[in-house]
Amino acid sequence: AQKVTQAQTEISVVEKEDVTLDCVYETRDTTYYLFWYKQPPSGELVFLIRRNSFDEQNEISGRYSWNFQKSTSSFNFTITASQVVDSAVYFCALSTLFGNEKLTFGTGTRLTIIP
Amino acid sequence: SAVISQKPSRDICQRGTSLTIQCQVDSQVTMMFWYRQQPGQSLTLIATANQGSEATYESGFVIDKFPISRPNLTFSTLTVSNMSPEDSSIYLCSAGSSGANVLTFGAGSRLTVL
Repeated sequence: AQKVTQAQTEISVVEKEDVTLDCVYETRDTTYYLFWYKQPPSGELVFLIRRNSFDEQNEISGRYSWNFQKSTSSFNFTITASQVVDSAVYFCALSTLFGNEKLTFGTGTRLTIIP
Repeated sequence: SAVISQKPSRDICQRGTSLTIQCQVDSQVTMMFWYRQQPGQSLTLIATANQGSEATYESGFVIDKFPISRPNLTFSTLTVSNMSPEDSSIYLCSAGSSGANVLTFGAGSRLTVL
């Protein structure tokens, strides 16, 4: 069975601070994908990133960066110089390959950026 | 990526009634799924909507309670039957193409059952 754990239920930081959201996963599959989604107060889920299990390179996209470490089964997400618009619930998710895109979601981390 | 439209976006329903949620995708997709997000909770997969055949339900979800249709590659419906207040949730449709492994989500349908 697959499992995604986001131990941080809620985080609050002051604007312009950096913040890291943790994600730990469990799977017996050797090939899999990891995702991060953002859910702003409006409710829709916004795709942020997909990373496959063979690619452990860290990725940076603007103020966002992701650290994938297979050795610790972690896929952490860092926001640099946070902004109020980053306030949202962030979900980490896992799926296996072979054309099956069913996602197993973590419980989410509610991030509040304080102006 | 695909654009998904869901309706209704929200509704208030009476206990014991049923409501059908529609999901329309702007392009043909291989995979369609229905998720439930209970208040303040994460997303839980209800079922995979299979084109032209019965949906595949996850543990804890049954066809009698959540009948699903998918008549073609761009459209699906989820019915929440005989609703109770415990069914108050956001129901989200998602879609993706086989191999692409990126799911797009609709904006969700927020149901409140009184």
